[in-house]
Amino acid sequence: DGGITQSPKYLFRKEGQNVTLSCEQNLNHDAMYWYRQDPGQGLRLIYYSQIVNDFQKGDIAEGYSVSREKKESFPLTVTSAQKNPTAFYLCASSRGGVVEQPQHFGDGTRLSIL
Amino acid sequence: QKEVEQNSGPLSVPEGAIASLNCTYSDRGSQSFFWYRQYSGKSPELIMSIYSNGDKEDGRFTAQLNKASQYVSLLIRDSQPSDSATYLCAVIEGGGGNKLTFGTGTQLKVEL
Repeated sequence: DGGITQSPKYLFRKEGQNVTLSCEQNLNHDAMYWYRQDPGQGLRLIYYSQIVNDFQKGDIAEGYSVSREKKESFPLTVTSAQKNPTAFYLCASSRGGVVEQPQHFGDGTRLSIL
Repeated sequence: QKEVEQNSGPLSVPEGAIASLNCTYSDRGSQSFFWYRQYSGKSPELIMSIYSNGDKEDGRFTAQLNKASQYVSLLIRDSQPSDSATYLCAVIEGGGGNKLTFGTGTQLKVEL
């Protein structure tokens, strides 16, 4: 089945620790995105990538890093510089093209501080 | 700052009624508009996309777009308890890049 797989589903971070969230898609989508959702709030864009080996900062990139070495994969690292990392993290992907395409989401990763 | 605004609700409707969800946006250059449904604890699921002024129907859902007034709405006919969820309006910013800006969502409760 085609889709977007995020892992792990739940993740706990210790103080001063970097953690990496995985996002893999087999939809052959060109673009991938990372969002953060806090309780009762909308989604906020962290980073996005429209092609392999290229990515741009979103609205709240501080304390996060990404890589896009393969079309299928867009991992997000939450660094120790992110002081309030507890949130629901969502990865999305979309097709490229002239007409703007909708984004489809994975099931998300819940990150908490130990 | 480009904004997408929604009434947070909750919007309560009886089973079988029409639910009307509204969204306004600030970026006049926006051309693509989406409605997502998000159940509690789950990820958003795309239910409608609309690109042109007017109405677009898909089953019990109708999306309405008015670019001159900068609003987009979602109507759900014959509302069911399973429609109870938060509905997120999302708008792609003008100027390319496929960047979505989300509203904070409207919580819909369909009551028996």
